[in-house]
Amino acid sequence: GNSVTQMEGPVTLSEEAFLTINCTYTATGYPSLFWYVQYPGEGLQLLLKATKADDKGSNKGFEATYRKETTSFHLEKGSVQVSDSAVYFCALTKGRYRDDKIIFGKGTRLHILP
Amino acid sequence: EAQVTQNPRYLITVTGKKLTVTCSQNMNHEYMSWYRQDPGLGLRQIYYSMNVEVTDKGDVPEGYKVSRKEKRNFPLILESPSPNQTSLYFCASRFLNGQEAFFGQGTRLTVV
Repeated sequence: GNSVTQMEGPVTLSEEAFLTINCTYTATGYPSLFWYVQYPGEGLQLLLKATKADDKGSNKGFEATYRKETTSFHLEKGSVQVSDSAVYFCALTKGRYRDDKIIFGKGTRLHILP
Repeated sequence: EAQVTQNPRYLITVTGKKLTVTCSQNMNHEYMSWYRQDPGLGLRQIYYSMNVEVTDKGDVPEGYKVSRKEKRNFPLILESPSPNQTSLYFCASRFLNGQEAFFGQGTRLTVV
């Protein structure tokens, strides 16, 4: 079946450090890939997405590239800020069916120290 | 403002006392769903609905009910809550075949 695996947290970094959160997926066909972010006390919100191979999603300084050959969608940011502290979820959908559901990874908690 | 609104945000109840968590969206989305979020388990889908009067089970439906009488509303009903339903609950909505899901702010439920 379809699944998403992302690195275990928590991840703790100092401000201005480089961030990578790994995400790999298992899916048939050509899924769409997403990163959602959950700030403390809030619901999830879409951070970025990519809908086909080699697409790069970007937003708020975060980037992720859809790599079909390695079935990966790693999240990166060149210089993190304290305000980036949150839980990050990698997710996929097949995107082609009316009852298509979102498959989420388990989430990675990120702590940024000032 | 486009949003998904859940109420209440926090709820403490006793075992066996029926409760309802409301969810409403103002984006005319066809697809609505409920998730629970637990440490180490991530998000698990409870129920979903593709349109009015159309609902179906997700991955963990036991102990929950839903209804979809209107397009904008999708309440989650716990007929007889038990302590293992203590969790953080999220409602979400999107268009069918839509790329982005919109989430409510969550309801933290404690059953004692």
